[in-house]
Amino acid sequence: AQSVTQLGSHVSVSEGALVLLRCNYSSSVPPYLFWYVQYPNQGLQLLLKYTSAATLVKGINGFEAEFKKSETSFHLTKPSAHMSDAAEYFCAVRTLYSSASKIIFGSGTRLSIRP
Amino acid sequence: DTEVTQTPKHLVMGMTNKKSLKCEQHMGHRAMYWYKQKAKKPPELMFVYSYEKLSINESVPSRFSPECPNSSLLNLHLHALQPEDSALYLCASSQAEGRLGAFFGQGTRLTVV
Repeated sequence: AQSVTQLGSHVSVSEGALVLLRCNYSSSVPPYLFWYVQYPNQGLQLLLKYTSAATLVKGINGFEAEFKKSETSFHLTKPSAHMSDAAEYFCAVRTLYSSASKIIFGSGTRLSIRP
Repeated sequence: DTEVTQTPKHLVMGMTNKKSLKCEQHMGHRAMYWYKQKAKKPPELMFVYSYEKLSINESVPSRFSPECPNSSLLNLHLHALQPEDSALYLCASSQAEGRLGAFFGQGTRLTVV
């Protein structure tokens, strides 16, 4: 079964510093991977998606992620953190079950930004 | 239009009540999902509809009853809930095979008293 594991339930960085949120996947077939962001009391917003077209994926709000098959990783980065980036971030993978799509989430990483 | 609309935004119900959550999308997506999210936890998949047919039920108690009247609408009927069912209920939709990810609504905050 496909799954994702997020390393670090909480990451704190200073404003203007590099953001790195870690996600590793487990899959026997090429995966479809996603990063979502959730602000308090809101739904989830799709930040970016990996669909095998390119290993470096650019998303919204200046975020990007690199798919590394050798490391089974799909880490999320942003060169310079902004206060508005404080939120919960989820890595997710699409799996198929009897031809129906399931999107399964990692445990999440809370990103805090220090002034 | 990349919006998934959920109503109501907040719902308080007693354990003997019957209520329904509603979800609507107009992106032409043929897969629709219900997720349950407890505080400080990831969303947990409950149901998947594919082409208006229930494809996946993640062993959800029968007090939750989904319905997909047409390709744009998804309902979740609630009956005889327990206080532990209080959570944020999220609806999502995607293309049928989900390769491009799913779009989520803002959720319904449910409190069972």
